[in-house]
Amino acid sequence: DVKVTQSSRYLVKRTGEKVFLECVQDMDHENMFWYRQDPGLGLRLIYFSYDVKMKEKGDIPEGYSVSREKKERFSLILESASTNQTSMYLCASPPSGRVPYNEQFFGPGTRLTVL
Amino acid sequence: SQQGEEDPQALSIQEGENATMNCSYKTSINNLQWYRQNSGRGLVHLILIRSNEREKHSGRLRVTLDTSKKSSSLLITASRAADTASYFCATDAGNYGQNFVFGPGTRLSVLP
Repeated sequence: DVKVTQSSRYLVKRTGEKVFLECVQDMDHENMFWYRQDPGLGLRLIYFSYDVKMKEKGDIPEGYSVSREKKERFSLILESASTNQTSMYLCASPPSGRVPYNEQFFGPGTRLTVL
Repeated sequence: SQQGEEDPQALSIQEGENATMNCSYKTSINNLQWYRQNSGRGLVHLILIRSNEREKHSGRLRVTLDTSKKSSSLLITASRAADTASYFCATDAGNYGQNFVFGPGTRLSVLP
């Protein structure tokens, strides 16, 4: 059974803090994605990675960075959290293989509140 | 930029009724997928339809695709309270189709 896990379901941080969101997949997939989800806006792609130590900016990378040191782990970093980064963060990973992918496997999400 | 747009934004029906949600998109696609999200959870893949297909079935789900109108519909027949969720369409994007673009979703409430 494929599995994508995220380190926290709920997180509360203060403005200016450095925040780490962790995502782990056990499917040996090469590609991993970070999205944020806001009401009325759907999912927006922040960053994705197609291999270890490789990363690509998505549609809204500003204020975020990522780290992929190991194949199974993809971290999203908020260098200095701001209130407008309060959101639901979703990690996803499609099966390896040819694009376009047939589906993405999602983690349960982390609801981040920045005070 | 947002590719998929679901319609309606919210839908409320009685158990046993059919629910239809629509998705429109802007650019050409290779495939279109539908996902379900239960409240506060991650998304779960429901069904994929390729650009050369017009209709696809999976259990109580029926998906149609009209590439000339750049639209798709998801029909859930004989709905159940457990179908209460948000439903999203997603289209492949990026230069190589390596990304997905999701619409804002349709919130479906099935009343017992």
